[in-house]
Amino acid sequence: TQLLEQSPQFLSIQEGENLTVYCNSSSVFSSLQWYRQEPGEGPVLLVTVVTGGEVKKLKRLTFQFGDARKDSSLHITAAQPGDTGLYLCAGASRDSNYQLIWGAGTKLIIKP
Amino acid sequence: DTGVSQDPRHKITKRGQNVTFRCDPISEHNRLYWYRQTLGQGPEFLTYFQNEAQLEKSRLLSDRFSAERPKGSFSTLEIQRTEQGDSAMYLCASSLGGSGANVLTFGAGSRLTVL
Repeated sequence: TQLLEQSPQFLSIQEGENLTVYCNSSSVFSSLQWYRQEPGEGPVLLVTVVTGGEVKKLKRLTFQFGDARKDSSLHITAAQPGDTGLYLCAGASRDSNYQLIWGAGTKLIIKP
Repeated sequence: DTGVSQDPRHKITKRGQNVTFRCDPISEHNRLYWYRQTLGQGPEFLTYFQNEAQLEKSRLLSDRFSAERPKGSFSTLEIQRTEQGDSAMYLCASSLGGSGANVLTFGAGSRLTVL
């Protein structure tokens, strides 16, 4: 069974601080995605990474796919209250018939 | 295009009643997915369609759940004889096929509360 474990489950920090959240698995994924979900809304895709070691930047957000394509991280620089939300990672592989396998998410709160 | 629309946004029902949710995907998307999400968890895959064909259904999906996409456009998810454990957010997503298959656009969800 493929699993994606996200850590931490919950993070509350002050505006302006930096943070990193993680998405780990023992399985290899052909692609991995990060979504942000706000209360009462569906997840919104932030980025897709497909190559081991790949780094993508989206303004203050930096996403990295592990060299072995088993893990990923999301780093936020100078967090702002608008970054508050549930951050979900989701991976696809041949073993999952390319259906997305989802982590349980990291709930992030940025206090002003 | 207004994105993926789901209706109703909220539904409160009594145990044993049937409920139906509707999803209108992005018009040019031929894939449509249903997920269930409970508090503190990621989305759980239920089923997906390519056009009008239901191609995959989760083994976790009870036979009380049925989904249709009769004309390859909108879809409905029906839950019969609801149970309290069915309380969750039901999310619909759509995507293109091929290389765009995993670029999902989600709707805002339909929240079900079973009393």
